[in-house]
Amino acid sequence: ETAVFQTPNYHVTQVGNEVSFNCKQTLGHDTMYWYKQDSKKLLKIMFSYNNKQLIVNETVPRRFSPQSSDKAHLNLRIKSVEPEDSAVYLCASRPGQINERLFFGHGTKLSVL
Amino acid sequence: GQQVQQSPASLVLQEGENAELQCNFSTSLNSMQWFYQRPGGSLVSLFYNPSGTKHSGRLTSTTVIKERRSSLHISSSQTTDSGTYLCALERPGANTGKLTFGHGTILRVHP
Repeated sequence: ETAVFQTPNYHVTQVGNEVSFNCKQTLGHDTMYWYKQDSKKLLKIMFSYNNKQLIVNETVPRRFSPQSSDKAHLNLRIKSVEPEDSAVYLCASRPGQINERLFFGHGTKLSVL
Repeated sequence: GQQVQQSPASLVLQEGENAELQCNFSTSLNSMQWFYQRPGGSLVSLFYNPSGTKHSGRLTSTTVIKERRSSLHISSSQTTDSGTYLCALERPGANTGKLTFGHGTILRVHP
């Protein structure tokens, strides 16, 4: 049963365009994440928010910007996409910040032509 | 270097056979989680197992912190077990909840 919802499922765009991905969780969790999964299936954290506050910001290009209106929503905007941004972007949430299960959404697959 | 190493990279089984997936890590950890991902699907949490052994149906997870390893055992495999299995560790001290993932084991179970 899915409780972390991501839209869109897929997005195809061209280099230089702006894209936005949405994520909403209905679990009442305080912490949300964006992970990037590359073509080799490796997941790497991009951002972490706790109760609308940015907690983790890994070495991510400045064209990526997360946006959180409340603790149930964490969106991701990419200002000017590059070919290497093609990947699956996975949103996740957990009750607190540490030592608890992570719940993932289905992911948004981005293809940059 | 890679902090989380999974083996094997891929595995092919006949239905009914057992599987043992390994996850070795080079750092100390607060927790270890195992996830399952179907092609094109989301990650499903299988186990949150910082230490010891946990069971869930045909699945067993064992984490031995001293030996810096965790394993996932699948008994009597079924075709629906096919997919990618990922382990992820959470390091102590950072207080950020950041998980470090392995590259995964791709499992194919044939009928």
